[in-house]
Order: sequence, then structure tokens, then C-alpha cells
Amino acid sequence: AQKITQTQPGMFVQEKEAVTLDCTYDTSDQSYGLFWYKQPSSGEMIFLIYQGSYDEQNATEGRYSLNFQKARKSANLVISASQLGDSAMYFCAMRPDLTGGGNKLTFGTGTQLKVEL
Amino acid sequence: SQTIHQWPATLVQPVGSPLSLECTVEGTSNPNLYWYRQAAGRGLQLLFYSVGIGQISSEVPQNLSASRPQDRQFILSSKKLLLSDSGFYLCAWSWHPPTEQFFGPGTRLTVL
Repeated sequence: AQKITQTQPGMFVQEKEAVTLDCTYDTSDQSYGLFWYKQPSSGEMIFLIYQGSYDEQNATEGRYSLNFQKARKSANLVISASQLGDSAMYFCAMRPDLTGGGNKLTFGTGTQLKVEL
Repeated sequence: SQTIHQWPATLVQPVGSPLSLECTVEGTSNPNLYWYRQAAGRGLQLLFYSVGIGQISSEVPQNLSASRPQDRQFILSSKKLLLSDSGFYLCAWSWHPPTEQFFGPGTRLTVL
């Protein structure tokens, strides 16, 4: 079974600073995918970034980058140059090795990020 | 482009009443479809997923059921709601074969 752990229930960051949101995972699969989603107060889940377990390069999408350390089983999200609009709940998720055509995501409990002036 | 719709946006229902939440996807065909529930202050729990019409997999035993009567329509139902069914219900879709999932706006259900 897969498990995602996000140990930071809440984080504060100053506007324009960088922030790292922690995520560790546990799986026995050799091939898996890691995702980060943002959930603003409106409730919608917004896909941010994806990292495959065999990807050698860390994923980047604009101001988001994923610090993937496979040996440590960590997949931390780094947000550079924080903006007020980044204030939201952030979820780390994992997709196990594909079997049966499904795509089951296991989510962590989330980190509430607040960006301050 | 693809869009995903959910309705209603909010719902307040008495205990013991039936439930029907609808999710539709536009702009793609034969998507994988998913229902999640998010309890207050918690992460998402996968309830059901579907890889095709009439094909439903249940992830957790519960008071809910799901159906997929059309390719891009996914329905979450209950015959008799419980207090514990309260939560935020999110529908999602992904390509087939699966990649990242894209979520709808959600339905906030309160059972009184």
C-alpha cells in the first residue's frame, strides 16, 4: 500500500520569498508518479506538477519545482518568488504502478500555506 | 479544451434522504473518471473510479454507489444518507492511459 506524509500542517512565507513544502512517501512499487495539487479556498484542486519515478531531472513548471530525492523517498515542492495568490492548501499525491487501467491517487493530508506581505 | 462540471455546488440534505451528484466531462472521449470525498481539514479519499461505461470500481465500503451511464457522465448516489456522508465531493478525470487527474469544482454536502 502507498502512503504519503506531509508533516507541515501550516506554513508562512513572506511575499517574494521561496518556500519548500515537504512530502515523503512510502511504496514498494518500482514505478510510480508523484503529483502536487493546490486547493484554494474555493475548493477546486489544481494540478501543479508531476514527477515520474524514473525521471532523472527534477520537474519544473514555472515557479514550481519538485525536489525529488528517490533514495530518501521525498518529493518536496519548492515555490519560488511567492505571491499572495499562492495562499492555499497544497497536497502531495502518488500514483502507484499502473495495473488494471486505473489511476488511483493516494493523497497526503495537506499543508496550508499563507503568504504574507 | 476539456472542462469538467459538477452539480449541485452545495447541498443540504436530511439524514435518510437519497442523494444524486452528477459529474460531466466535455472535450474528451473515454476518460477515466473518479469520485473523491474530502472531510473537513483532511486529504482526499478515493471512493470510486471508472475506466469505461458501466465499469465501476469501489475503493472503500460505504453507503454510496456510483454509476456511469454515458461515456462522459459519472453519478454518485445514495439511497439513505448518513451524517458521516457530509463532506466535499470532487469528481476528476484523466486521460486513458492515465496521467494527471483534473478535478471539477466540487459539491459541498451537508447532512443534517
